[in-house]
Amino acid sequence: AQTVTQSQPEMSVQEAETVTLSCTYDTSESNYYLFWYKQPPSRQMILVIRQEAYKQQNATENRFSVNFQKAAKSFSLKISDSQLGDTAMYFCAFDNNNDMRFGAGTRLTVKP
Amino acid sequence: DSGVTQTPKHLITATGQRVTLRCSPRSGDLSVYWYQQSLDQGLQFLIQYYNGEERAKGNILERFSAQQFPDLHSELNLSSLELGDSALYFCASSVEGVWGPQETQYFGPGTRLLVL
Repeated sequence: AQTVTQSQPEMSVQEAETVTLSCTYDTSESNYYLFWYKQPPSRQMILVIRQEAYKQQNATENRFSVNFQKAAKSFSLKISDSQLGDTAMYFCAFDNNNDMRFGAGTRLTVKP
Repeated sequence: DSGVTQTPKHLITATGQRVTLRCSPRSGDLSVYWYQQSLDQGLQFLIQYYNGEERAKGNILERFSAQQFPDLHSELNLSSLELGDSALYFCASSVEGVWGPQETQYFGPGTRLLVL
């Protein structure tokens, strides 16, 4: 069975600093998609970044980037220049042929 | 296995019809959330219940409704279905359903709805 593990229930970072959220997954598939979602207090789920497993280049979206290590089945999210608005719950998700799995989430607090 | 169960796993129906999706939260969790994942959009929050009461509402259409029963299971009712309602519907549960520390949502496997 495909599983997604986020080993950090909570993290905090000072404003303007960099933080990395961890995610590992387990699958026997070779082609799949990985996502990071952000859920602020409003409860809306916001897609932060997406990575296709067949692409070796790590995805980047402004201050958000990933470190995708396919062999290690690791998909970490790096947030640079953290802002107060980045305070949220972050979910890592795995999608293979629309069989989607979510991690338990990491609660990130950005401190002023 | 998150402990959250959803039935059915797959559902195929026609436009104009009505369907009910069911979710059983983890043992001990009082709050249930419903999300919709469509092909062209990310995960959209629909609605949240806590101990039988609606707590938060997101982008839920008027054609959709939900409820949480005394045994804490929840149902999402989708009516007057349109082709665009085809999506993966997730249920998640958490203990308190509040925004605070240690509040983790556990996602179910989803129900895939196909409207033809």
